[in-house]
Amino acid sequence: EAGVVQSPRYKIIEKKQPVAFWCNPISGHNTLYWYLQNLGQGPELLIRYENEEAVDDSQLPKDRFSAERLKGVDSTLKIQPAELGDSAVYLCASSFDQNEQFFGPGTRLTVL
Amino acid sequence: AQSVSQHNHHVILSEAASLELGCNYSYGGTVNLFWYVQYPGQHLQLLLKYFSGDPLVKGIKGFEAEFIKSKFSFNLRKPSVQWSDTAEYFCAVNGGSQGNLIFGKGTKLSVKP
Repeated sequence: EAGVVQSPRYKIIEKKQPVAFWCNPISGHNTLYWYLQNLGQGPELLIRYENEEAVDDSQLPKDRFSAERLKGVDSTLKIQPAELGDSAVYLCASSFDQNEQFFGPGTRLTVL
Repeated sequence: AQSVSQHNHHVILSEAASLELGCNYSYGGTVNLFWYVQYPGQHLQLLLKYFSGDPLVKGIKGFEAEFIKSKFSFNLRKPSVQWSDTAEYFCAVNGGSQGNLIFGKGTKLSVKP
């Protein structure tokens, strides 16, 4: 069974540029999560989807971050414009209902 | 608000030594508890979980954890570590009706061969 797929794995951009991350969850998993992981910290939730509905986006900085999960499968997380402090690893996870979460490899973003 | 504390930032052990990593959480209600491991260059993977029942939980690769409700703790243990256990270990909790995991800051384990 394929795991959670994320792309790209690495991204380097200059500040003020836009960037987008893509996630394909495990087949059949209706819940999808985006996490932010700073160096030396644990992952922190940005947004949680149940099917195509964002049920918790309270931690998403909405002035520059946006996300979508069209058709309740793949999801995209976007930052526009990126700031230096956005350098981090962006993790996607999925689960069936709210059981065990399976994590993808993450996208390491570096903002110069 | 829920929070998770992991007491050790970096633990260095020799092979065959015993391991105990501390984890305390703050939440007054029913919780689900998890330990995740991240091996170098790999993604987070579940080591073990506690939802209910026997408070002593056994996971993969010889790891176990004990839920002590009165102490709000869920410490991870392994009687004899191996070099291949070198990784970062994260304790996580979700409580109430939400599915959101709250993670600790992680403990980096280095095992010397």
